[in-house]
Order: sequence, then structure tokens, then C-alpha cells
Amino acid sequence: GAVVSQHPSWVICKSGTSVKIECRSLDFQATTMFWYRQFPKQSLMLMATSNEGSKATYEQGVEKDKFLINHASLTLSTLTVTSAHPEDSSFYICSAIWYRAGETDTQYFGPGTRLTVL
Amino acid sequence: SQKIEQNSEALNIQEGKTATLTCNYTNYSPAYLQWYRQDPGRGPVFLLLIRENEKEKRKERLKVTFDTTLKQSLFHITASQPADSATYLCALSNAGNNRKLIWGLGTSLAVNP
Repeated sequence: GAVVSQHPSWVICKSGTSVKIECRSLDFQATTMFWYRQFPKQSLMLMATSNEGSKATYEQGVEKDKFLINHASLTLSTLTVTSAHPEDSSFYICSAIWYRAGETDTQYFGPGTRLTVL
Repeated sequence: SQKIEQNSEALNIQEGKTATLTCNYTNYSPAYLQWYRQDPGRGPVFLLLIRENEKEKRKERLKVTFDTTLKQSLFHITASQPADSATYLCALSNAGNNRKLIWGLGTSLAVNP
């Protein structure tokens, strides 16, 4: 149980274009999902918290108009990088909370999406 | 500011030995501490969670200790195998928002056959 998928696993795009990344919880419902970014040799950095049916909460320094998050259902959240630039090239990872009564919330991560902006 | 430190240098051990990884933290009082495994080009995989009122937790060949006085967690892999080779990440969260994780940089472990 607790499988999270991401699509695509990698994407190369031209500067100025937009890219959408999907995150799905395959065998559980996730009211909360998270989006992270990881640069080489750096720790995971939380970008935003995505809540089903409401607006995402962005971390300080993350542009909400550039990184659009939509959590339209209990199993799907999307991250759209708008007008991508080479500095947006990174490894984007989502996670989902598998809520179980009486258990501490645990985040289960997707396999990540490698974005390269030319 | 909050800081998490993990062994910065890669750890190389012989197959069958016990690997011990360290996570130290400052300016923080976590209620939960978690360990994840991350393989190159992949997302982290959850391994163990330990609460502030727990001293030790085990799962198969894994053991985690949590010393809130020393502000340190130790992560042990006994009878290590080459398949255990990966980067191991330490992540902390507090009781107020146990879902927001603060991450260490990770320690790279190589188990040699």
C-alpha cells in the first residue's frame, strides 16, 4: 500500500514554455499532498502544501504564480511550472499523506520528475 | 535557525557489518524524527518514525534511537547488504505541524561485497 506515482518521470522543455507534473496516490486517498524541489547535493526543499479542494499554501520565497498547484481530487495533485527558465531545472518530488486513525501522519513520496529547461 | 547535520562524508562498510548513521540537530525540539532512504534519481522511501518520548524503535534489520538530550538520532542497519547502498535522509517535524518536515542533506552509504 501507499504508492505514489508521478508523471512524467523526466521532461525537457524550452525556456518560456509551461510544464505540468502530475502526482497520484494509487491505493489511498490523500487530502494533503506536498511538492518538493531538490537540487544536486542539496536537501529537499518544501515548495508548497496542496490541500484537496482548497488553495495551496506556498513556502516563503516560492512564487505562487509561477508554480501553479491544483488538487482537484483526493488522488491527484498537479504542479505546473509556468514560463520555465533554466534555473527552474531541478528534481521535483511530490508526497502524499496516508492518514490512518491512531497513527502519526507519514509522507509517502513519488519517484520524482527531472525537469530540464533549455 | 534550525539546523540538521548528518555525516557529510560517505560511509563505506563491509557486507555483514553494522552501519551506523548519525543525525544531529540544533535550535529545534522535534516531536517526530523520521528516516528515509533515497536512491539516485528517485524519491525518498519512508523507513522508520520515532517519537520524542520513544528511545528506540526497530524494524527488521533497522534500529533507530532518539536522544532528545543530546539532540541526536542514530540509525543502524545490521547485517548490511550491498542492496542497502543508498543515501539515508533524516527528517524532523514538531507537534504543532507534524506534517512539515525539515530535512538533512543525507549520508551516502556504500556496502561493499
